[in-house]
Amino acid sequence: DSGVTQTPKHLITATGQRVTLRCSPRSGDLSVYWYQQSLDQGLQFLIHYYNGEERAKGNILERFSAQQFPDLHSELNLSSLELGDSALYFCASSVDRGGNTIYFGEGSWLTVV
Amino acid sequence: TQLLEQSPQFLSIQEGENLTVYCNSSSVFSSLQWYRQEPGEGPVLLVTVVTGGEVKKLKRLTFQFGDARKDSSLHITAAQPGDTGLYLCAGALVDSSYKLIFGSGTRLLVRP
Repeated sequence: DSGVTQTPKHLITATGQRVTLRCSPRSGDLSVYWYQQSLDQGLQFLIHYYNGEERAKGNILERFSAQQFPDLHSELNLSSLELGDSALYFCASSVDRGGNTIYFGEGSWLTVV
Repeated sequence: TQLLEQSPQFLSIQEGENLTVYCNSSSVFSSLQWYRQEPGEGPVLLVTVVTGGEVKKLKRLTFQFGDARKDSSLHITAAQPGDTGLYLCAGALVDSSYKLIFGSGTRLLVRP
């Protein structure tokens, strides 16, 4: 158990819908990272927040957005969902803004039908 | 285009054999990490290497960071079925922000 909690673990939704994935970082960690893992793309970095502020953006689509709240939990919002958005979405956390050690949650399986 | 290229993509070996997985890039990384991922779970950190030329050992696993900090290797001695999994290398790019870029992974199967 890494200490990073993600909900929901599994989600099935229809195209065009909107979903929210939630992440609670490890106690004391200020950074939250979101990654998308699909069979053909591997693990893709989406976005990084540190202490409530966006620090870095990766290959995140405009239909996707994220935020980190004052209590440090984070949400990833995915809208206008397409079949190709089906993937495993991981949240990870670290204690600092760019540490060498980040810890991954177990992921949220999203299936768009 | 993958910033980090891992090879081989798939590896199926017999228990007791040795193997090496490679991670290569044209970019310089401030650090490089190796993860192991089981199906349906998140990647678990195995090791972080920071200094060019650094070698770290974790039981039967030996990790090396290239002198120029552009490449790394993972060597497993006397592989066991419990080593089966997806091995991922990840390089940290640090400028004004922090990004951890993952390789495409090596799927290892160790047959009893």
